[in-house]
Amino acid sequence: DTAVSQTPKYLVTQMGNDKSIKCEQNLGHDTMYWYKQDSKKFLKIMFSYNNKELIINETVPNRFSPKSPDKAHLNLHINSLELGDSAVYFCASSSLGAPGAFFGQGTRLTVV
Amino acid sequence: AQSVTQPDIHITVSEGASLELRCNYSYGATPYLFWYVQSPGQGLQLLLKYFSGDTLVQGIKGFEAEFKRSQSSFNLRKPSVHWSDAAEYFCAVGPSNTDKLIFGTGTRLQVFP
Repeated sequence: DTAVSQTPKYLVTQMGNDKSIKCEQNLGHDTMYWYKQDSKKFLKIMFSYNNKELIINETVPNRFSPKSPDKAHLNLHINSLELGDSAVYFCASSSLGAPGAFFGQGTRLTVV
Repeated sequence: AQSVTQPDIHITVSEGASLELRCNYSYGATPYLFWYVQSPGQGLQLLLKYFSGDTLVQGIKGFEAEFKRSQSSFNLRKPSVHWSDAAEYFCAVGPSNTDKLIFGTGTRLQVFP
């Protein structure tokens, strides 16, 4: 009965590969997000989707492409992975107009 | 520019002692304010939030925070810390109509028995 679940929890991959991280929420929320936490624990928003529509797209390389097949899912696809992409990626969800996001457990991505 | 400052990178307290974690923000409009906790290897859990009304808000796990507009602060407090409170604590601000949260750099709390 996990509220926001991400898979995989850990991902180790080589430079140049393409990988995806999946996120699902069962809270009935209409807005989902991807945040990136770097090695210094700094958290920054990457994307926000509301009802499958892109709302926020921060300055993120276009190698990162979010996809929302429905309101409960927001996946993150990363092309041509680089060493600097190594980080923990958090998915989150909330209801628009009721701030306070629920976060998933995070996916620790390591690019070697 | 919008920003959140958590001046203390690392705080160490003894179990049973009181705790105050500082948070200052810079925000153009009336902010929504949040405190999150991240235990090792875990995601972020919302401790409490402030939108309006009573400036002293109660959260989960015995935490409370006080909004002081004049000081642009939203400090987190707990009267008696437990060893299980050891974690990273993040203060965040957001606008009133979306959830683009701006996070502080976090304060790592260590608790000694």
